[in-house]
Amino acid sequence: DTAVSQTPKYLVTQMGNDKSIKCEQNLGHDTMYWYKQDSKKFLKIMFSYNNKELIINETVPNRFSPKSPDKAHLNLHINSLELGDSAVYFCASSRLANYEQYFGPGTRLTVT
Amino acid sequence: DQQVKQNSPSLSVQEGRISILNCDYTNSMFDYFLWYKKYPAEGPTFLISISSIKDKNEDGRFTVFLNKSAKHLSLHIVPSQPGDSAVYFCAALPRNNFNKFYFGSGTKLNVKP
Repeated sequence: DTAVSQTPKYLVTQMGNDKSIKCEQNLGHDTMYWYKQDSKKFLKIMFSYNNKELIINETVPNRFSPKSPDKAHLNLHINSLELGDSAVYFCASSRLANYEQYFGPGTRLTVT
Repeated sequence: DQQVKQNSPSLSVQEGRISILNCDYTNSMFDYFLWYKKYPAEGPTFLISISSIKDKNEDGRFTVFLNKSAKHLSLHIVPSQPGDSAVYFCAALPRNNFNKFYFGSGTKLNVKP
């Protein structure tokens, strides 16, 4: 029983396409996150939601839009994909103000 | 502008010896620090943490040391085991936003049998 799951695990698509990555957690956590791991291997926070409310929104292009239909899900939709969007995207969850985050396995996005 | 830095991309250690992974930060507002461990094709998993009011926290073979004046922390693994081979990420949290994690770029540890 996976704690934080992401689908798909791999995503290869062409520039200009629109794609979504789904994330689900079954830990009962109230806070969820999206991170991008770039080519230099840094994990950078993109968004954070608490109880379906956006609490962190870093300087991410408007082409990226997170959607949280409920506390257990935080999906990431990306419009007009660009080459620079190629990266590994990690979803994570935690209890609010609890420092321990649980990460999903990551989605490797390749834009050609 | 990377506020958390791990300057050693890789480290190789013999089994049974000590592994020391280092992390430097620039933001004096960071109040809480964590280490995560990551195996290939998996997400990072929490390993150990330390609050800025402490200078040491120990959990089994893992000890984290914090030197606030130097803005430096380190993770010691004693004794190192082959199963410890993974990428280790250092992360920090500012006191004004305990949801905004800042991660380093990771250090790949290889423990040789």
